[in-house]
Amino acid sequence: EIVLTQSPGTLSLSPGERATLSCRASQSVSSNYLAWYQQKPGQAPRLLIYGASSRATGIPDRFSGSGSGTDFTLTISRLEPEDFAVYYCQQYGNSPRTFGQGTKVEIK
Amino acid sequence: EVQLVESGGGLVQPGGSLRLSCAVSRFTLSSYDMRWVRQTPGKGLEWVSTISGSGGSTYYADSVKGRFTISRDNSKNTLYLQMNSLKGEDTAVYYCTKSGGRRELSFDDYWGQGTLVTVSS
Repeated sequence: EIVLTQSPGTLSLSPGERATLSCRASQSVSSNYLAWYQQKPGQAPRLLIYGASSRATGIPDRFSGSGSGTDFTLTISRLEPEDFAVYYCQQYGNSPRTFGQGTKVEIK
Repeated sequence: EVQLVESGGGLVQPGGSLRLSCAVSRFTLSSYDMRWVRQTPGKGLEWVSTISGSGGSTYYADSVKGRFTISRDNSKNTLYLQMNSLKGEDTAVYYCTKSGGRRELSFDDYWGQGTLVTVSS
């Protein structure tokens, strides 16, 4: 199975700053089938990005995804207070679908 | 707005059984694959099982194969997960999710709020 490694484990930033989150796959992700999710405490994950770079319905344009093959990035251009959360990547190109271990974006 | 509401979680002894339900609304259940995904502090998010829109195809993670059974009743707009021979490592929050695409392998565009399953004596 494909192992996804997210870095850093924790990102400490201030509102208004830019956040760059990394997701590296142990082998190439088929057709760049890579998604990103946001999870806040006590809530279910919420889909942000699919197909590596397509924003899900209702997701603000400060969220963007990029990358291909084994290296993918989620960028939040300017952090809003509601963006402090845990972010997970997921690959759905190969069976079984797998998730990364998460990156926590916390307020500095 | 699409809604998925899980129920049926609780405390169960090792070796016991539990059935989870997921009631859905505001979309046509038979048109989409549905899944169960679980989350633990230690192992993170883990796909458990998938069922096709018609219910004719089912898929399981190796960790639950032979013990869990996924099913659906499209007339009742409800997804199920029958869990037998439960082990401590099955302790998790279980989410039902809706497939965002038409492939068996796709992302999850909507998630329920989750139901906690605790396996302990």
